[in-house]
Amino acid sequence: QSALTQPASVSGSPGQSITISCTGASSDVGYYDFVSWYQQHPGEAPKLMIYDVSNRPSGISNRFSGSKSGNTASLTISGLQPEDEADYYCSSFTGSSTRVVFGGGTKLTVL
Amino acid sequence: QVQLVESGGGVVQPGRSLRLSCAASGFSFSSYAMNWVRQAPGKGLEWVAAISYDAYNKYHADSVKGRFTISRDNSKNTLYLQMNSLRPEDTAVYYCAREAVAGLPTFDYWGQGTLVTVSS
Repeated sequence: QSALTQPASVSGSPGQSITISCTGASSDVGYYDFVSWYQQHPGEAPKLMIYDVSNRPSGISNRFSGSKSGNTASLTISGLQPEDEADYYCSSFTGSSTRVVFGGGTKLTVL
Repeated sequence: QVQLVESGGGVVQPGRSLRLSCAASGFSFSSYAMNWVRQAPGKGLEWVAAISYDAYNKYHADSVKGRFTISRDNSKNTLYLQMNSLRPEDTAVYYCAREAVAGLPTFDYWGQGTLVTVSS
């Protein structure tokens, strides 16, 4: 099972919106609606931001939204804030013995 | 509140063994599947292993299959990862993570991680 493909970096100014893509295969992202997104600040553990493609856990700002089309999932952050600067990882259920596959991560810089 | 606290990391020589522990509190540990996820220095996340709430089902990544074994003791609210025949490429921060919904690897709580360094 190959890792999901994410852009290495994205950037945006405060108040703007950005979108991070996550491309997989028809056997993972394209087949299952079980894509999650995690935020990770330096030196900290990952934090769940989006699950099941587009659902937000309790306490997560509605500035974070997720979607999926075909084999590509996307995370959109609107109204960028300085504290959004972090690494973001997508993951997908695979249905195989390799139960989950992660993306390589995207570094978000808030200019 | 939910807490996951990993321990057992350290520096170990290639070929040796190490056992990681993850102490859980603040939730009904015996009701949740648990996972180990690792992150090599400066790299991304890699799923390592998963275990069902009752330890009946266990899954391991191909990269660790036959060398690592996940287990749990529900009486002690503790998750384990036995790591044998360690290799330099196993160097990483190892996180334990709770599975929000059984059977689906959505990880809603993570520990702070424990660093394993495999080096001679």
